Amino acid sequence: SVLTQPPSASGTPGQRVTISCSGSSSNIGGNTVTWYQQLPGAAPKMLIYSNNQRPSGVPGRFSGSKSGTSASLAISGLQSGDEAHYYCAAWDDSLNVVIFGGGTKVTVL
Amino acid sequence: EVQLVQSGAEVKKPGESLRISCKGSGYSFTSYWISWVRQMPGKGLEWMGRIDPSDSYTNYSPSFQGHVTISADKSISTAYLQWSSLKASDTAMYYCARQELVAFDYWGQGTLVTVSS
Repeated sequence: SVLTQPPSASGTPGQRVTISCSGSSSNIGGNTVTWYQQLPGAAPKMLIYSNNQRPSGVPGRFSGSKSGTSASLAISGLQSGDEAHYYCAAWDDSLNVVIFGGGTKVTVL
Repeated sequence: EVQLVQSGAEVKKPGESLRISCKGSGYSFTSYWISWVRQMPGKGLEWMGRIDPSDSYTNYSPSFQGHVTISADKSISTAYLQWSSLKASDTAMYYCARQELVAFDYWGQGTLVTVSS
C-alpha cells in the first residue's frame, strides 16, 4: 500500500494504543487523513476525519493527529470492543485516487 | 437517518455480467458523491471509483478503469456497480459509501460477490 501501517498492535484493557500511517507529500503531506474502524464481519465506519475530527457518536477515547507526511490514531482506555481492523486513508494527488493503508489489526490482550 | 442499503449476495460464473445496487435514503442523494470500495477475502480496502449522482460524472481508479462501470439513477436514489464479464478474481465484498469531501461518512452493509465455475 502507498500508505504504510503496522499490520498489528495490541494492548491490555485500559492501555493506550497508537497506530501510525506513513505516506508522502502527494497524499498525507498535502491532504487530510481519515481513519476507519472495521469490526469483525461488519462494514467500515468512519472514526476520524480531517486528521483529528470525531464524528458525533465516536467516543473521545479515539483521537487522530497528523504531522508532515505521517498520521496517527490513538486509542486510550482500550476496551475489548475495540478489537478491529483500523485503516487510514487519504487522497493522492499523483495517482488521483483515494488510497487506503494496509490496515492494522488491534488485539486486546 | 442516513442509510445506504445494498443489494444481496450474488453467485456468478466467470464471463457472466452483474449489476449490484446501493440505495440511499435519509439525505439529499444528489448532494454527495457515492464511492465504491472493494475488499477481497482477508484483505484491505481498495477504492474503485465514484459518481456524482447529480450529473452522473464518474471518476475511476486506474486499477478498475475499463473493468467496471459505475452509474446512478437519481430518480430512485440508487447507485450501481456493474461488470460485463466477471472473473474469478472479482470475488470480493463490495461496499458503497457516501463521500463527504474525501471522507466516507456512511457505508452500505456490503454485497458479497462470488465468481466461481
